[in-house]
Amino acid sequence: EPEVTQTPSHQVTQMGQEVILRCVPISNHLYFYWYRQILGQKVEFLVSFYNNEISEKSEIFDDQFSVERPDGSNFTLKIRSTKLEDSAMYFCASSAWVGEKLFFGSGTQLSVL
Amino acid sequence: QQQVKQSPQSLIVQKGGISIINCAYENTAFDYFPWYQQFPGKGPALLIAIRPDVSEKKEGRFTISFNKSAKQFSLHIMDSQPGDSATYFCAARPGGSRLTFGEGTQLTVNP
Repeated sequence: EPEVTQTPSHQVTQMGQEVILRCVPISNHLYFYWYRQILGQKVEFLVSFYNNEISEKSEIFDDQFSVERPDGSNFTLKIRSTKLEDSAMYFCASSAWVGEKLFFGSGTQLSVL
Repeated sequence: QQQVKQSPQSLIVQKGGISIINCAYENTAFDYFPWYQQFPGKGPALLIAIRPDVSEKKEGRFTISFNKSAKQFSLHIMDSQPGDSATYFCAARPGGSRLTFGEGTQLTVNP
C-alpha cells in the first residue's frame, strides 16, 4: 500500500529555535494535512492544504506555524520559534480528494528543550 | 460541540473475547465516523468507517454500530487477538472538513 513518509522521525531542538518537519505525501494525492498528538492525549488537527493554499486551520495553528509545498513532492511544516508546549508527535496525512480516506505518516517526535 | 467523547480509556480483554469501545458526539453536522488503529511509533491507520445513513457496518472481525438519535457509535472487535493490542481512536467530521478525534482507548488482549 502507498505510504506517507515523514522525516526526521525524531527532532530535538532548543526553545526559540526554528524547526522544519518534512513529509512526502502519496504521489497522486491532492489534499495534505498536519495533525499533532501531545503525549497521552488525542490527535489534534492543525491545518489542511490544497492547491498551494491553506484550506482550513485550527486555533493551534497560530503565526508561529507555516506550511509549504516547496516542490511537487514535499510538504513541510515550519515552527518559527519553538516553545516547550510544541513538544508532540506531528503527523502528516494526505488524501486523494476532500472527504476521502486519510493516510497518515509515522510521525515526527518533536522535543523542545 | 466539536468534541467526540470516547470510553473506556483502557480495556483489557482475553483472547477470543469481544472488545467494545464507545464514542459520543454532539455536532449533528458530523457525517463521517471513522475508527483508527495506532500501534506504538506509528501513525493512525484507518480501520473502518461509517456514514449516518446506515446503522451498522461490518468488515471481518470489526463492526461499527451507529445510533444517530443517541449520537453514539461504537466499535466491536469480535474474537479479539493479541495482535489487536493497540490504541483505538474514534473520529468524526462534517463534510470534508477536519477530523475531530476521541481521546483514545488502549486495548490489551491477553493471550
